[in-house]
Amino acid sequence: GAVVSQHPSWVICKSGTSVKIECRSLDFQATTMFWYRQFPKQSLMLMATSNEGSKATYEQGVEKDKFLINHASLTLSTLTVTSAHPEDSSFYICSVSDRILIHYEQYFGPGTRLTVT
Amino acid sequence: GQSLEQPSEVTAVEGAIVQINCTYQTSGFYGLSWYQQHDGGAPTFLSYNALDGLEETGRFSSFLSRSDSYGYLLLQELQMKDSASYFCGWMDSSYKLIFGSGTRLLVRP
Repeated sequence: GAVVSQHPSWVICKSGTSVKIECRSLDFQATTMFWYRQFPKQSLMLMATSNEGSKATYEQGVEKDKFLINHASLTLSTLTVTSAHPEDSSFYICSVSDRILIHYEQYFGPGTRLTVT
Repeated sequence: GQSLEQPSEVTAVEGAIVQINCTYQTSGFYGLSWYQQHDGGAPTFLSYNALDGLEETGRFSSFLSRSDSYGYLLLQELQMKDSASYFCGWMDSSYKLIFGSGTRLLVRP
């Protein structure tokens, strides 16, 4: 399966600052990546679908101006949490899928734990 | 909208068999997936059903009934390491994955 990395694995920032999280597909070219958010003891909530070379598609209720997604290459997607607030503290996870070979399986990164103070 | 409901918690004994149910209300259904997630870790793929019936992968099996909008994950010969959260997921034609509410499985000795 695909190997996905995320950086950083954890970050603490002050309220009002912006934080960038990177998601990399290490061993294949991912035209599509997905971003999820997970609060403690809750399910993963899909935030957006990141498409290489085009604008991301956001799920209903997710503020696109607050969660900026850039998918500049086939191996890298970034999520920037702008003007972060304590309620943005969460576990952010990205995933990729190999649509050609095994379209139904998504491979997840290890996640980034964001704490906003 | 889409919703996938699962029991919040299940407890079973090591060596036993446990079934985790998932009922869904979705539009444009394409398939049902199952993922395992240990605390603090990344979800890992377990199984996928596009058609009605049972899919078996080692100790794990998954079942789907489209007419009943229902599926389940069956775990056999439970081991302590199976203690984790299990999520069913609805996939649409764009391969977008929406997760269910999740079930925490606790395996006791």
